[in-house]
Amino acid sequence: QKEVEQDPGPLSVPEGAIVSLNCTYSNSAFQYFMWYRQYSRKGPELLMYTYSSGNKEDGRFTAQVDKSSKYISLFIRDSQPSDSATYLCAILGNFNKFYFGSGTKLNVKP
Amino acid sequence: DAGVIQSPRHEVTEMGQEVTLRCKPISGHNSLFWYRQTMMRGLELLIYFNNNVPIDDSGMPEDRFSAKMPNASFSTLKIQPSEPRDSAVYFCASSSSVGYSNQPQHFGDGTRLSIL
Repeated sequence: QKEVEQDPGPLSVPEGAIVSLNCTYSNSAFQYFMWYRQYSRKGPELLMYTYSSGNKEDGRFTAQVDKSSKYISLFIRDSQPSDSATYLCAILGNFNKFYFGSGTKLNVKP
Repeated sequence: DAGVIQSPRHEVTEMGQEVTLRCKPISGHNSLFWYRQTMMRGLELLIYFNNNVPIDDSGMPEDRFSAKMPNASFSTLKIQPSEPRDSAVYFCASSSSVGYSNQPQHFGDGTRLSIL
Protein backbone atom coordinates (compact mmCIF):
# COMPACT_ATOMS: atom_id res chain seq x y z
CA GLN A 1 0.00 0.00 0.00
CA LYS A 2 1.34 3.41 -0.92
CA GLU A 3 1.72 5.92 1.87
CA VAL A 4 -0.48 8.46 0.06
CA GLU A 5 -3.17 7.77 -2.52
CA GLN A 6 -4.69 10.43 -4.76
CA ASP A 7 -7.14 10.17 -7.63
CA PRO A 8 -5.30 11.41 -10.74
CA GLY A 9 -8.43 12.77 -12.40
CA PRO A 10 -8.61 14.66 -14.67
CA LEU A 11 -11.33 16.73 -13.09
CA SER A 12 -13.17 19.22 -15.28
CA VAL A 13 -15.54 21.80 -13.78
CA PRO A 14 -17.22 25.03 -14.95
CA GLU A 15 -15.98 28.35 -13.68
CA GLY A 16 -17.50 29.23 -10.32
CA ALA A 17 -17.93 25.62 -9.18
CA ILE A 18 -16.75 24.30 -5.84
CA VAL A 19 -13.92 21.84 -6.31
CA SER A 20 -13.10 19.02 -3.92
CA LEU A 21 -9.72 17.29 -4.13
CA ASN A 22 -8.92 14.37 -1.86
CA CYS A 23 -6.17 12.09 -0.62
CA THR A 24 -6.00 9.16 1.74
CA TYR A 25 -2.95 8.13 3.71
CA SER A 26 -1.87 4.93 5.37
CA ASN A 27 -0.17 5.80 8.64
CA SER A 28 -2.16 7.31 11.47
CA ALA A 29 1.06 8.70 12.95
CA PHE A 30 1.44 11.19 10.09
CA GLN A 31 0.80 14.68 11.40
CA TYR A 32 1.83 17.31 8.86
CA PHE A 33 -0.22 17.81 5.72
CA MET A 34 0.34 19.99 2.70
CA TRP A 35 -1.22 20.87 -0.65
CA TYR A 36 0.83 21.95 -3.63
CA ARG A 37 -0.29 23.40 -6.96
CA GLN A 38 1.73 22.70 -10.07
CA TYR A 39 1.24 24.59 -13.30
CA SER A 40 2.45 23.07 -16.55
CA ARG A 41 6.24 23.22 -16.87
CA LYS A 42 6.67 24.69 -13.41
CA GLY A 43 7.65 23.32 -10.04
CA PRO A 44 5.09 22.49 -7.33
CA GLU A 45 4.11 25.58 -5.35
CA LEU A 46 3.08 25.31 -1.72
CA LEU A 47 -0.57 26.31 -1.25
CA MET A 48 -1.40 25.35 2.32
CA TYR A 49 -0.12 23.28 5.19
CA THR A 50 -1.55 22.22 8.51
CA TYR A 51 -0.66 20.10 11.50
CA SER A 52 -4.05 19.47 12.93
CA SER A 53 -7.39 17.91 12.26
CA GLY A 54 -10.14 20.26 11.16
CA ASN A 55 -10.25 23.06 8.63
CA LYS A 56 -7.78 25.73 7.62
CA GLU A 57 -8.94 28.49 5.32
CA ASP A 58 -6.99 30.83 3.06
CA GLY A 59 -9.07 32.92 0.71
CA ARG A 60 -10.94 30.63 -1.66
CA PHE A 61 -9.00 27.59 -0.45
CA THR A 62 -9.87 25.36 2.51
CA ALA A 63 -7.74 22.44 3.64
CA GLN A 64 -9.47 19.79 5.72
CA VAL A 65 -7.88 16.95 7.66
CA ASP A 66 -9.76 14.03 9.15
CA LYS A 67 -7.23 12.00 11.08
CA SER A 68 -9.76 9.42 12.22
CA SER A 69 -10.39 8.50 8.58
CA LYS A 70 -6.87 9.30 7.37
CA TYR A 71 -8.38 11.55 4.75
CA ILE A 72 -7.35 15.02 3.61
CA SER A 73 -9.20 17.37 1.30
CA LEU A 74 -8.70 20.65 -0.48
CA PHE A 75 -11.77 22.70 -1.38
CA ILE A 76 -11.65 25.52 -3.88
CA ARG A 77 -14.62 27.92 -3.84
CA ASP A 78 -15.62 30.03 -6.83
CA SER A 79 -13.11 28.22 -9.02
CA GLN A 80 -11.39 30.24 -11.74
CA PRO A 81 -9.72 29.22 -15.02
CA SER A 82 -6.43 30.28 -13.39
CA ASP A 83 -6.92 27.45 -10.88
CA SER A 84 -6.40 24.95 -13.71
CA ALA A 85 -3.33 23.00 -12.63
CA THR A 86 -2.29 19.74 -11.03
CA TYR A 87 -2.81 19.59 -7.27
CA LEU A 88 -0.60 17.36 -5.15
CA CYS A 89 -1.15 16.42 -1.56
CA ALA A 90 1.91 15.79 0.57
CA ILE A 91 2.47 14.39 4.02
CA LEU A 92 5.47 14.47 6.31
CA GLY A 93 5.92 10.94 7.50
CA ASN A 94 8.34 8.96 9.58
CA PHE A 95 12.04 9.78 9.58
CA ASN A 96 11.35 13.26 8.28
CA LYS A 97 10.37 11.95 4.87
CA PHE A 98 7.83 13.66 2.62
CA TYR A 99 5.32 11.55 0.71
CA PHE A 100 3.52 13.01 -2.29
CA GLY A 101 0.30 11.95 -3.94
CA SER A 102 0.37 11.39 -7.68
CA GLY A 103 -1.53 14.63 -8.30
CA THR A 104 -5.03 15.47 -9.56
CA LYS A 105 -5.25 17.43 -12.78
CA LEU A 106 -7.93 20.12 -12.58
CA ASN A 107 -9.40 22.00 -15.53
CA VAL A 108 -11.72 24.93 -14.84
CA LYS A 109 -13.64 25.85 -17.97
CA PRO A 110 -14.58 29.50 -18.59
CA ASP B 1 13.46 36.67 -2.19
CA ALA B 2 14.97 34.34 -4.76
CA GLY B 3 13.45 30.90 -4.79
CA VAL B 4 15.19 27.62 -5.51
CA ILE B 5 17.24 28.02 -8.67
CA GLN B 6 17.92 25.08 -10.96
CA SER B 7 20.04 24.84 -14.06
CA PRO B 8 19.87 24.01 -16.84
CA ARG B 9 16.12 24.30 -17.47
CA HIS B 10 16.35 21.88 -20.37
CA GLU B 11 18.95 19.28 -21.28
CA VAL B 12 18.98 17.05 -24.32
CA THR B 13 21.84 14.63 -24.68
CA GLU B 14 22.68 11.25 -26.11
CA MET B 15 22.70 8.11 -24.06
CA GLY B 16 26.00 7.33 -22.45
CA GLN B 17 26.84 10.97 -21.82
CA GLU B 18 27.34 12.41 -18.37
CA VAL B 19 24.62 14.77 -17.17
CA THR B 20 25.01 17.23 -14.31
CA LEU B 21 22.05 19.07 -12.83
CA ARG B 22 22.57 21.99 -10.48
CA CYS B 23 20.60 23.51 -7.66
CA LYS B 24 20.88 26.58 -5.46
CA PRO B 25 18.55 26.32 -2.46
CA ILE B 26 16.82 29.21 -0.74
CA SER B 27 19.26 31.05 1.50
CA GLY B 28 18.93 29.91 5.10
CA HIS B 29 17.30 26.58 4.27
CA ASN B 30 19.26 23.63 5.63
CA SER B 31 17.48 20.73 3.94
CA LEU B 32 17.70 19.97 0.23
CA PHE B 33 15.81 17.38 -1.76
CA TRP B 34 16.18 15.98 -5.27
CA TYR B 35 13.06 14.57 -6.95
CA ARG B 36 12.27 13.01 -10.29
CA GLN B 37 8.83 13.42 -11.86
CA THR B 38 7.36 11.29 -14.63
CA MET B 39 3.83 10.70 -15.85
CA MET B 40 3.99 7.04 -14.85
CA ARG B 41 5.53 7.33 -11.38
CA GLY B 42 4.70 10.86 -10.27
CA LEU B 43 7.09 12.66 -7.95
CA GLU B 44 9.78 10.38 -6.54
CA LEU B 45 12.28 11.41 -3.87
CA LEU B 46 15.80 10.52 -4.95
CA ILE B 47 17.92 11.87 -2.09
CA TYR B 48 17.76 14.36 0.70
CA PHE B 49 20.45 16.32 2.53
CA ASN B 50 20.33 17.99 5.90
CA ASN B 51 23.09 20.47 6.74
CA ASN B 52 24.93 19.31 3.60
CA VAL B 53 24.98 15.67 4.74
CA PRO B 54 23.08 13.00 2.77
CA ILE B 55 20.39 11.60 5.09
CA ASP B 56 18.36 9.33 2.84
CA ASP B 57 19.49 8.18 -0.59
CA SER B 58 17.25 5.14 -0.78
CA GLY B 59 15.45 6.61 -3.78
CA MET B 60 18.55 6.86 -5.95
CA PRO B 61 17.75 4.35 -8.67
CA GLU B 62 21.22 2.91 -9.21
CA ASP B 63 24.91 3.62 -9.04
CA ARG B 64 24.76 5.71 -12.18
CA PHE B 65 23.18 8.42 -10.05
CA SER B 66 25.18 10.45 -7.55
CA ALA B 67 24.51 13.66 -5.66
CA LYS B 68 26.71 16.06 -3.76
CA MET B 69 26.23 19.09 -1.60
CA PRO B 70 29.65 20.70 -1.09
CA ASN B 71 28.20 23.71 0.74
CA ALA B 72 24.92 25.15 1.96
CA SER B 73 24.22 27.01 -1.27
CA PHE B 74 24.89 24.43 -3.97
CA SER B 75 24.08 20.86 -4.90
CA THR B 76 24.55 18.69 -7.97
CA LEU B 77 22.86 15.56 -9.24
CA LYS B 78 24.94 13.61 -11.70
CA ILE B 79 23.98 10.76 -14.01
CA GLN B 80 26.81 8.82 -15.60
CA PRO B 81 26.27 7.14 -17.99
CA SER B 82 22.82 8.42 -18.89
CA GLU B 83 20.14 6.18 -20.39
CA PRO B 84 16.85 6.97 -22.22
CA ARG B 85 14.83 5.77 -19.20
CA ASP B 86 16.37 8.60 -17.17
CA SER B 87 14.32 11.09 -19.21
CA ALA B 88 12.15 13.00 -16.74
CA VAL B 89 11.79 16.33 -15.02
CA TYR B 90 14.18 16.63 -12.10
CA PHE B 91 13.23 18.96 -9.28
CA CYS B 92 15.25 20.35 -6.44
CA ALA B 93 13.47 21.55 -3.30
CA SER B 94 14.66 23.11 -0.07
CA SER B 95 13.24 23.63 3.38
CA SER B 96 14.17 24.57 6.93
CA SER B 97 14.32 21.85 9.52
CA VAL B 98 13.28 22.71 13.04
CA GLY B 99 14.47 20.16 15.53
CA TYR B 100 13.59 16.80 14.03
CA SER B 101 10.87 18.18 11.79
CA ASN B 102 11.09 19.56 8.28
CA GLN B 103 9.08 22.60 7.28
CA PRO B 104 7.25 22.58 3.92
CA GLN B 105 9.44 22.34 0.88
CA HIS B 106 9.86 24.98 -1.79
CA PHE B 107 10.56 23.74 -5.29
CA GLY B 108 12.55 25.03 -8.20
CA ASP B 109 11.11 24.96 -11.71
CA GLY B 110 12.95 21.78 -12.60
CA THR B 111 15.30 20.52 -15.28
CA ARG B 112 13.59 18.79 -18.18
CA LEU B 113 15.99 16.03 -19.20
CA SER B 114 15.76 14.11 -22.44
CA ILE B 115 18.17 11.28 -23.16
CA LEU B 116 18.14 10.21 -26.80
